Amino acid sequence: DGGITQSPKYLFRKEGQNVTLSCEQNLNHDAMYWYRQDPGQGLRLIYYSQIVNDFQKGDIAEGYSVSREKKESFPLTVTSAQKNPTAFYLCASSFNNSPLHFGNGTRLTVT
Amino acid sequence: DQQVKQNSPSLSVQEGRISILNCDYTNSMFDYFLWYKKYPAEGPTFLISISSIKDKNEDGRFTVFLNKSAKHLSLHIVPSQPGDSAVYFCAARVSSDYKLSFGAGTTVTVRA
Repeated sequence: DGGITQSPKYLFRKEGQNVTLSCEQNLNHDAMYWYRQDPGQGLRLIYYSQIVNDFQKGDIAEGYSVSREKKESFPLTVTSAQKNPTAFYLCASSFNNSPLHFGNGTRLTVT
Repeated sequence: DQQVKQNSPSLSVQEGRISILNCDYTNSMFDYFLWYKKYPAEGPTFLISISSIKDKNEDGRFTVFLNKSAKHLSLHIVPSQPGDSAVYFCAARVSSDYKLSFGAGTTVTVRA
């Protein structure tokens, strides 16, 4: 059963700590994306990767880092430099220019 | 600067009636448009799309209309059903680009 798995569903961290959100896909998609959703705002692109070992900054990359060592995996690290890290994070993938296929998200709360 | 705008944050409609969701965009380079549906605590799921070479695309109860001159698109849901209650996101991109720009979403509530 193909899809995107984001884990964990809920994550709590203290301010000043880095935290890594997992995203795994078994759809054999080349491109993967990280979006952030805040109340009353659309999804905003953090980072995206079109192929393994390559990734590009999106519109709000500051305070975040990613890696793409395997086609199936695109982890996102929220660093202590991110000023407002509390949000709902969505990972997505796509094949060529097909519509994005999303995971079920990780809700990160930083206190 | 938000390039895709959904100016109505919410919409309430009676079951069986038509739901009309609106979306405006500012980037004239956008040539591919999508609608996504999202339930709480889940990721968005793709609903319907339209290319700029068309002005209408239909899939069952869902129809998307595109007015390029007005930089406006709309989603019609007929008839509306209780399961349609969700947040609907409009999205757009340049077809040669991987980046997708999203609107803020419209929450649809279908009343019995």
